[in-house]
Amino acid sequence: DAKTTQPTSMDCAEGRAANLPCNHSTISGNEYVYWYRQIHSQGPQYIIHGLKNNETNEMASLIITEDRKSSTLILPHATLRDTAVYYCIVRNNAGNMLTFGGGTRLMVKP
Amino acid sequence: DAMVIQNPRYQVTQFGKPVTLSCSQTLNHNVMYWYQQKSSQAPKLLFHYYDKDFNNEADTPDNFQSRRPNTSFCFLDIRSPGLGDAAMYLCATSSWTGGYEQYFGPGTRLTVT
Repeated sequence: DAKTTQPTSMDCAEGRAANLPCNHSTISGNEYVYWYRQIHSQGPQYIIHGLKNNETNEMASLIITEDRKSSTLILPHATLRDTAVYYCIVRNNAGNMLTFGGGTRLMVKP
Repeated sequence: DAMVIQNPRYQVTQFGKPVTLSCSQTLNHNVMYWYQQKSSQAPKLLFHYYDKDFNNEADTPDNFQSRRPNTSFCFLDIRSPGLGDAAMYLCATSSWTGGYEQYFGPGTRLTVT
C-alpha cells in the first residue's frame, strides 16, 4: 500500500472549517484513500473514503486531486469534539488491512 | 446498538505472567483484527482472522497468540508479557462484503509491572 504524508499537527477555531491535507504521491490506480480519526482514549473511527471522485457524508467531505496524488479532508464546522488524531490511509480493496501512518493531531480551540 | 466490545478496559499484569484480552462483536462481521498501539504511536496490526483463517503479520512476536472460537469472540493471549508490551490493544472488525471500513472497540490498556 502507498505511503502517506500528513502534517504532524494543526489548529482550528471552533465553528470554522478544518482542512486536513494528505500527500500520497505514490498511489496506484486501484488504491483508495481512507480517513479515520482517533479521539483520545478511544478506538479509531472511520470517517470517509474515496477513489477519485469527491465524497461527502454526514461527518466530512473528501476532496481528491485529479492526479490523485493528494487529498484534503474537510470538517465543515469544527467543534471541540472534533479534537483528535486524523489518519489518512491509502490501500486497495483487495485486502482489508489498514497501515496507519503518523496522522495529524487536530486541536479545535474555542 | 451493534458494537465491538473489549474487556477489560484496563488490565494490569506482572512481568512474565500470561494474560488474555477479550473482544466480542455484535456486527456479525467475518473479519476480526488485533492492533497494538504504544504511547504516542499509531496503531500497528498484529494479526487478523478472516472467518477462522488466521493471518499473522510478519513482525508480530511469537509471544502474541490469538484464538477465535466463534464469529463473535476473539482473544489475544500474551504468553510472557514484558515491559515493552505495555500498550493499548485495539480490536476491530470488518465485513468482507459491502463496505470495507473497520469498526474499532474502545481498547484495553495493558500495564506490565
